[in-house]
Amino acid sequence: DVKVTQSSRYLVKRTGEKVFLECVQDMDHENMFWYRQDPGLGLRLIYFSYDVKMKEKGDIPEGYSVSREKKERFSLILESASTNQTSMYLCASVRGLAAQDNEQFFGPGTRLTVL
Amino acid sequence: RKEVEQDPGPFNVPEGATVAFNCTYSNSASQSFFWYRQDCRKEPKLLMSVYSSGNEDGRFTAQLNRASQYISLLIRDSKLSDSATYLCVVNRGSARQLTFGSGTQLTVLP
Repeated sequence: DVKVTQSSRYLVKRTGEKVFLECVQDMDHENMFWYRQDPGLGLRLIYFSYDVKMKEKGDIPEGYSVSREKKERFSLILESASTNQTSMYLCASVRGLAAQDNEQFFGPGTRLTVL
Repeated sequence: RKEVEQDPGPFNVPEGATVAFNCTYSNSASQSFFWYRQDCRKEPKLLMSVYSSGNEDGRFTAQLNRASQYISLLIRDSKLSDSATYLCVVNRGSARQLTFGSGTQLTVLP
């Protein structure tokens, strides 16, 4: 059974703190993604990675960085958390690019509140 | 203009009703199309892919109109368990990246 896990379901941090969100998948997928989801805006892509140590910016990378040191793990880092980063963060992974392989499997999400 | 636009709803329908959602996309280079379902406080999950010829999965039918750049989802004989938010999803030029609509909320009433 396909599994994507995220380190926390709920997280409360203070403005200016460095925040780490971790995502692990057990499907040996090459491609991993970080999104944030806000009411009325849908899911917006922050960063994605298509291989170990490779990363590409998505639509809203400002204020975020990522790390992919191992294939199964993709970390999202908020260098200095701000209140406008309060959101639901969702990690996803995809096996490949072919049509039959491109279903995105999501983790349960981390609801981050920055005070 | 948003890359993927959906009517946010909410759609409130009685059990057994037929309901249809439409979605428009702006990137004519898009090649892959999907409907995802997201239950309240849960992660999105793939409901079905949308193929050029249209496809059906039980009570669910998806259609693609490339000329008009819209995708539709038809749900027949609605069940209470169909209550969820339905996300229209389109890939960009790169198959790695997907664009998600903001979703259409459906509530099926007893």
